[in-house]
Amino acid sequence: DAKTTQPTSMDCAEGRAANLPCNHSTISGNEYVYWYRQIHSQGPQYIIHGLKNNETNEMASLIITEDRKSSTLILPHATLRDTAVYYCIVRVEHSSASKIIFGSGTRLSIRP
Amino acid sequence: ETGVTQSPTHLIKTRGQQVTLRCSSQSGHNTVSWYQQALGQGPQFIFQYYREEENGRGNFPPRFSGLQFPNYSSELNVNALELDDSALYLCASSSSPGGEQFFGPGTRLTVL
Repeated sequence: DAKTTQPTSMDCAEGRAANLPCNHSTISGNEYVYWYRQIHSQGPQYIIHGLKNNETNEMASLIITEDRKSSTLILPHATLRDTAVYYCIVRVEHSSASKIIFGSGTRLSIRP
Repeated sequence: ETGVTQSPTHLIKTRGQQVTLRCSSQSGHNTVSWYQQALGQGPQFIFQYYREEENGRGNFPPRFSGLQFPNYSSELNVNALELDDSALYLCASSSSPGGEQFFGPGTRLTVL
């Protein structure tokens, strides 16, 4: 079973910041928070990951709470091309553990 | 640097038949993971191959089998196809078993 819970769907106006929440209350100390997204009929695409510090890259920002039990993915200026299903995953980095356990994700719709 | 490729793009089979799906990993990657994604659900881990050996398996029956070649490309074989095997099959390659996974576009299998 997935170790994360996310809202089933969200919407956001184009040009505004999209904030996608994720709960991972049973996260272990050595597990990272990863975010992927899947645009319709394509394979999942890596967005960002972090352990406990906030992270930012060219796609998004990741805010992790101090207790690490939840996080928020922020798309600062959402565009129509950001419409996708967003998956929040917890995973041990660089271990022999092989699989990624996906939940059902959040379906984000960007409205013009 | 070429990304992960999969073939064929689409495939239609009938119940009881056998199917082989193919995946070419990203240059420099020695690990391939396979996932099944039913409509409206997140991807489910099938198994992973690392240096030509199976390295972890999800909750799938033995009629799902795989192979990895010396060039690290991989095949997924499914015998005795069932209607419920209709899904998008995704492969992902990585530079190590626990490393960041890069997904291909998937093969959509329809079983009639």
